[in-house]
Amino acid sequence: DAKTTQPPSMDCAEGRAANLPCNHSTISGNEYVYWYRQIHSQGPQYIIHGLKNNETNEMASLIITEDRKSSTLILPHATLRDTAVYYCIVRLRGSGTYKYIFGTGTRLKVLA
Amino acid sequence: NAGVMQNPRHLVRRRGQEARLRCSPMKGHSHVYWYRQLPEEGLKFMVYLQKENIIDESGMPKERFSAEFPKEGPSILRIQQVVRGDSAAYFCASSPGTGDNQPQHFGDGTRLSIL
Repeated sequence: DAKTTQPPSMDCAEGRAANLPCNHSTISGNEYVYWYRQIHSQGPQYIIHGLKNNETNEMASLIITEDRKSSTLILPHATLRDTAVYYCIVRLRGSGTYKYIFGTGTRLKVLA
Repeated sequence: NAGVMQNPRHLVRRRGQEARLRCSPMKGHSHVYWYRQLPEEGLKFMVYLQKENIIDESGMPKERFSAEFPKEGPSILRIQQVVRGDSAAYFCASSPGTGDNQPQHFGDGTRLSIL
């Protein structure tokens, strides 16, 4: 089972910030949070990841709460091309495996 | 740098035939992961390989499915005697290692349709 929960869908107006929440209340102290998105008929695209500090790159910002039980992905100025399913993932570790457990993600629709 | 390359992008097979899906990881990546995605669902882990070795196959069906990642050449996911339920998108991902700062990078998948 996925270690994360996300709202199934969100809408955002073009040009506004899109804030996508993720709950990961059972995360362990050394587990990272990864964000990917999947645009229709393509493979998941890596966006950003973090442990406990806020992170920013050219695509997005990641805000992780101090207790690490939740995080928010921020797309500062959403465009129509950001319409996609966004996945928040806590990577499963241990016993030599490093697989991702995907949840159902958040379907973000950016509206013109 | 070229990304993860999967081929074919689309594959049609009749029930009972064999399907072979290929994945060439990114240059310098020796870890390969296969995932399956049914329509309107998230990706489900199938198998994790590191050059010539299967590390974790906990998501692979017990029969008809196999995977390999030879010393030379692409990783292959093989499905024997396909059935209608095998219809799905199959994605491959690769990473240079397993460190936390080495996220997986995905290909654009192979869409398998069973007639």
